[in-house]
Amino acid sequence: DTGVSQDPRHKITKRGQNVTFRCDPISEHNRLYWYRQTLGQGPEFLTYFQNEAQLEKSRLLSDRFSAERPKGSFSTLEIQRTEQGDSAMYLCASSLLGRGSPLHFGNGTRLTVT
Amino acid sequence: ILNVEQSPQSLHVQEGDSTNFTCSFPSSNFYALHWYRWETAKSPEALFVMTLNGDEKKKGRISATLNTKEGYSYLYIKGSQPEDSATYLCACYRDNYGQNFVFGPGTRLSVLP
Repeated sequence: DTGVSQDPRHKITKRGQNVTFRCDPISEHNRLYWYRQTLGQGPEFLTYFQNEAQLEKSRLLSDRFSAERPKGSFSTLEIQRTEQGDSAMYLCASSLLGRGSPLHFGNGTRLTVT
Repeated sequence: ILNVEQSPQSLHVQEGDSTNFTCSFPSSNFYALHWYRWETAKSPEALFVMTLNGDEKKKGRISATLNTKEGYSYLYIKGSQPEDSATYLCACYRDNYGQNFVFGPGTRLSVLP
């Protein structure tokens, strides 16, 4: 299967701990996106990369969140000093360039902060 | 900030009924609109990518239309089946404008057998 994969599927952590998630996109896709989804809401944009360049980060995103895509392939999303409000599903998606290219999503990482 | 809205929030229909949902978005600087289906325990899956005013797309019993001048898109499901039960998301895309893809809150469809 050459789809988008995310690891881990589930993460339970205590408030104040740091967590890191990984996303492996479809190999030929230039763009990689991170979204956060909470119950009853649509996916909320966090950040996106074009190859290794981080082109945008949501203004709503706390400084505790950071993402990298060091070689233009896989990406990591780190949350420092987690808070209970960080509990959500974190979705990664990748796509080719161009407005006609749909997003291909991974299965997400569900974070629970206790 | 781009606001994308969807209605209704949720919908229950009987098997065999036809139904439709609405996605509305600011009409200025429009670039593309995507529809996705998100089934429970799966990842969102692309249904349609629409870029031109007046676009109509169809996949089996599901179709979509786009009006970029007034800022809305409709998704239609003909003869709903229980396997159509899912959350249907639309996303508005504006390249080089920030917040590359902005999703609506989704419409949750339940099709009762």
